[in-house]
Amino acid sequence: LAKTTQPISMDSYEGQEVNITCSHNNIATNDYITWYQQFPSQGPRFIIQGYKTKVTNEVASLFIPADRKSSTLSLPRVSLSDTAVYYCLVGDGNQFYFGTGTSLTVIP
Amino acid sequence: DAGVTQSPTHLIKTRGQQVTLRCSPKSGHDTVSWYQQALGQGPQFIFQYYEEEERQRGNFPDRFSGHQFPNYSSELNVNALLLGDSALYLCASSKGQARGYGYTFGSGTRLTVV
Repeated sequence: LAKTTQPISMDSYEGQEVNITCSHNNIATNDYITWYQQFPSQGPRFIIQGYKTKVTNEVASLFIPADRKSSTLSLPRVSLSDTAVYYCLVGDGNQFYFGTGTSLTVIP
Repeated sequence: DAGVTQSPTHLIKTRGQQVTLRCSPKSGHDTVSWYQQALGQGPQFIFQYYEEEERQRGNFPDRFSGHQFPNYSSELNVNALLLGDSALYLCASSKGQARGYGYTFGSGTRLTVV
């Protein structure tokens, strides 16, 4: 099983960089790692996706080590509107697994 | 550009009843996946439909079944409802069997079983 593990919660002040790590020991060789953001009573929203090394888009960066057994989502200069639950999603070739989610609270 | 549309948004059913949830995928997407999200938990994969067939399935009993129509829309059916089936049911669409990436999620159907 591609069980994933994330910190349950994190707090950060506005303007700081936040790094959230997901451990996924049994990720399938050909599967990507995807991160989603979810607000209460809404569906998850795609943030970023990667296979290896580093990926950057307009909202986040994703760091994946060579062994691909973990990944780190980096949110630069967070704002109050970034308060949400963040999930990593990986596959093991048969199923897709969301992590337990990390509840990020941004403090003014 | 219409995203993923789910109906109904909320539903209350009695234990033992049957329920059907509906999903229209994002324009251009042909694959639909269903997830169950219990309160305070991460979404759990139920199954995925592509080309009108169930392609992958998570650890859910046969009470959970689905269907995909030629226009790529999909239904999730749950029979013999249990109190534990109360959850937010999410539909995600993608282009091809995206294997977890490129999903667009709907806002979900909140099912309450009483």
